[in-house]
Amino acid sequence: NAGVTQTPKFQVLKTGQSMTLQCAQDMNHEYMSWYRQDPGMGLRLIHYSVGAGITDQGEVPNGYNVSRSTTEDFPLRLLSAAPSQTSVYFCASRPRSVADTQYFGPGTRLTVL
Amino acid sequence: GQSLEQPSEVTAVEGAIVQINCTYQTSGFYGLSWYQQHDGGAPTFLSYNALDGLEETGRFSSFLSRSDSYGYLLLQELQMKDSASYFCAVLNQGGKLIFGQGTELSVKP
Repeated sequence: NAGVTQTPKFQVLKTGQSMTLQCAQDMNHEYMSWYRQDPGMGLRLIHYSVGAGITDQGEVPNGYNVSRSTTEDFPLRLLSAAPSQTSVYFCASRPRSVADTQYFGPGTRLTVL
Repeated sequence: GQSLEQPSEVTAVEGAIVQINCTYQTSGFYGLSWYQQHDGGAPTFLSYNALDGLEETGRFSSFLSRSDSYGYLLLQELQMKDSASYFCAVLNQGGKLIFGQGTELSVKP
């Protein structure tokens, strides 16, 4: 049981490049979320999903796309990276039946030059 | 909209008790969670309150007052390893978990 996994761990992009941050969980959790965390800041919700085929916007969705074709995977796409998207990105999951505990992945540290 | 407020920094000495407060404004409130994050690491779950009152888990306790839109995390018998950032988070309608900006706790010898 690997929990929530994220790849890559580190990434450097140039402005305008696109990329996909991968997130997978093997706990059969219905809920999955993406957060970004900037230095000295809390976690801000980008997008979330309550099940396969269902996604919704969080607090800061602009510049990011998501899809949820399977229960296990929840990739985050940056279509045209900007320096303002330099951040640490965390993916998280939790079961629908448990309203409290959310499990986080180890994070992806992204730098956009 | 929704907002959460918590102090940015708290300092305490080893063995002491510290309380981190959190006030929130949100619609469709379900519950208040607390998470711990050490430098460079992923947040980890500490506690959750859906009902008014105190929940105790070892050295950590969490309190919620729904009528006051207020909660706190109480850490007892502080240890050096408790130095970390602590986040309150509101669970609201649709399953969104929204975080506050975090409180950095420094434990001094």
